[in-house]
Amino acid sequence: EDQVTQSPEALRLQEGESSSLNCSYTVSGLRGLFWYRQDPGKGPEFLFTLYSAGEEKEKERLKATLTKKESFLHITAPKPEDSATYLCAVQAWGGGSNYKLTFGKGTLLTVNP
Amino acid sequence: GAVVSQHPSWVICKSGTSVKIECRSLDFQATTMFWYRQFPKQSLMLMATSNEGSKATYEQGVEKDKFLINHASLTLSTLTVTSAHPEDSSFYICSARIREGGNEQFFGPGTRLTVL
Repeated sequence: EDQVTQSPEALRLQEGESSSLNCSYTVSGLRGLFWYRQDPGKGPEFLFTLYSAGEEKEKERLKATLTKKESFLHITAPKPEDSATYLCAVQAWGGGSNYKLTFGKGTLLTVNP
Repeated sequence: GAVVSQHPSWVICKSGTSVKIECRSLDFQATTMFWYRQFPKQSLMLMATSNEGSKATYEQGVEKDKFLINHASLTLSTLTVTSAHPEDSSFYICSARIREGGNEQFFGPGTRLTVL
């Protein structure tokens, strides 16, 4: 069974204070690892897809990296508008997987001005 | 691009009634659509996967007769909660995968269901 564990559960940062969120995963065969941002009362917003160990993707203040066991979402000089829950999900190869995603519980990030 | 809408955004109904939620891909065709539910401060739990023109595949523990899914076209899927009860109150979110696209799923804004 595919499993995704995110840490920490919650993180408070001061504006400009860089940090990283962790996503550890166990999957039979990784098709892709996905990062999403979710604001309260809204659906997740797609951020990144990573496919293989060593891959990195960047978007504004966010950078996602991938190893064979975990992924990191690095936030550089965050701003209050970066406050949200960040979700990690994995997608496995295999018959019947049908591109389904298995999500972690998320990290609630709060950036104080 | 890759915009998914849901309607309604919130609904309140009486126990025992049925509620239909629509999920539309606005600017792309979706080979596959997914339905999730999310309880407060919990992550997304996949309920079912639907492919256009075929029966939905339900996750273990999800009642097929209670949560009816129809994926009649490449841009529309519907979820009907039949004989709703207060324990069905939740945040329901759909997502869609672009036909001939990548592996990403694009999510709708969600529907808040409250059953009285």
